Amino acid sequence: GEDVEQSLFLSVREGDSSVINCTYTDSSSTYLYWYKQEPGAGLQLLTYIFSNMDMKQDQRLTVLLNKKDKHLSLRIADTQTGDSAIYFCAESMDGGATNKLIFGTGTLLAVQP
Amino acid sequence: DAGVTQSPTHLIKTRGQQVTLRCSPKSGHDTVSWYQQALGQGPQFIFQYYEEEERQRGNFPDRFSGHQFPNYSSELNVNALLLGDSALYLCASSLAKSNSNQPQHFGDGTRLSIL
Repeated sequence: GEDVEQSLFLSVREGDSSVINCTYTDSSSTYLYWYKQEPGAGLQLLTYIFSNMDMKQDQRLTVLLNKKDKHLSLRIADTQTGDSAIYFCAESMDGGATNKLIFGTGTLLAVQP
Repeated sequence: DAGVTQSPTHLIKTRGQQVTLRCSPKSGHDTVSWYQQALGQGPQFIFQYYEEEERQRGNFPDRFSGHQFPNYSSELNVNALLLGDSALYLCASSLAKSNSNQPQHFGDGTRLSIL
């Protein structure tokens, strides 16, 4: 089945690290993505990880994948007020084919100054 | 390098009417996908177009149809609008390659309100 779940809300203080979690159900997922959505805007691709990887780091962002538990996390180091947004986890099961994305319901990250 | 552009940004319609939304993909991309995002929800896949044909479709009724033009731009048409069609409609583009992952890049969406 296709299902992606995320916690709804996370509040952190500026300068702290944020960790946003996601679980998915389809073990055939090939790629997993993190997108950011600011109010009134579309989705901005942050990073993605191939299912045969455990970790990917890109500047302040670290993605961890536990394929056995079907758990994905996004860590944002030194969180800034500009990081306040909704973060979506998404899985793609087709890889290079249609690349249809299945999204979670999103996690609202609130960064307190 | 132009990203994905969508028009219009906002639209208000009444029940029973028809609407057409437009999307121009990111430069160099040839595949367009459409998503519906209801308030407080994640985007839901509607369908994808490649080489001017619908390649895959999500769980949406036939009232939702689309088209892709030779220049890769795309339209989403919705007939017989219902109140429940009120949502943000997102277009995403990507490059079709069988050997590598090509992430989808999204536009800012069209906010459709049905009265």
